[in-house]
Amino acid sequence: QVQLVESGGGLVKPGGSLRLSCVVSGFSFRDFHMSWIRQAPGKGLEWVSYISAGSLNIDYADSVKGRFAISRDNAKSSLFLEMNSLRPEDTAVYYCAKGWETQFDFWGQGVMVTVSS
Amino acid sequence: ENVLTQSPGPLSLSPGDTATLSCRASQSVNTHLAWYQQKLRQAPRLLIYAASSRAPGIPDRFSGSGSGTDFTLTISRLEPEDSAVYYCQQYGSSPQSFGQGTKLEIK
Repeated sequence: QVQLVESGGGLVKPGGSLRLSCVVSGFSFRDFHMSWIRQAPGKGLEWVSYISAGSLNIDYADSVKGRFAISRDNAKSSLFLEMNSLRPEDTAVYYCAKGWETQFDFWGQGVMVTVSS
Repeated sequence: ENVLTQSPGPLSLSPGDTATLSCRASQSVNTHLAWYQQKLRQAPRLLIYAASSRAPGIPDRFSGSGSGTDFTLTISRLEPEDSAVYYCQQYGSSPQSFGQGTKLEIK
């Protein structure tokens, strides 16, 4: 069955960095666009970033542009999100999800990122 | 940005009732709209895509309709397990966006 498993979250001070990973199984990872979506505590869903299947196309929400970098390793069925210059408002559960310019049909369980001094 | 507005606010219904949830887009998205269910402390789950197509494994109690700017998610014969927050998402215009969610309580 399809599984997306995120890791790399934690507590970090403002201005710090974290790298999230998402390992995928159960579908042909290299053939699909992938996204990161986040949810601040008690809030709704916010799309963060997407990367096309072959990594040629990438986009970011304005709120993270210039600070976050998405990448993927198709040989290892893995998706990454490098987060720099973190701010308290980046505190959220981060989900990796399959899809872009379509519905997100599979989601990971999410990983918590807390930015606090 | 295409803003999605969901209504009503928090909804409290009884088992066996029918829930009608609305999602209105500020710009037309054709039928490029999905619905998700998120239970407490869980990831969202896809219910409906392309406005009216059920995702695999989703019971036929869940149905979607609409096109353009106005969409509806209908949940028939409500069960206690349907208690959740429901989000709509549009992928008809960039950037994709989500509605703010509608909380449904079954008591």
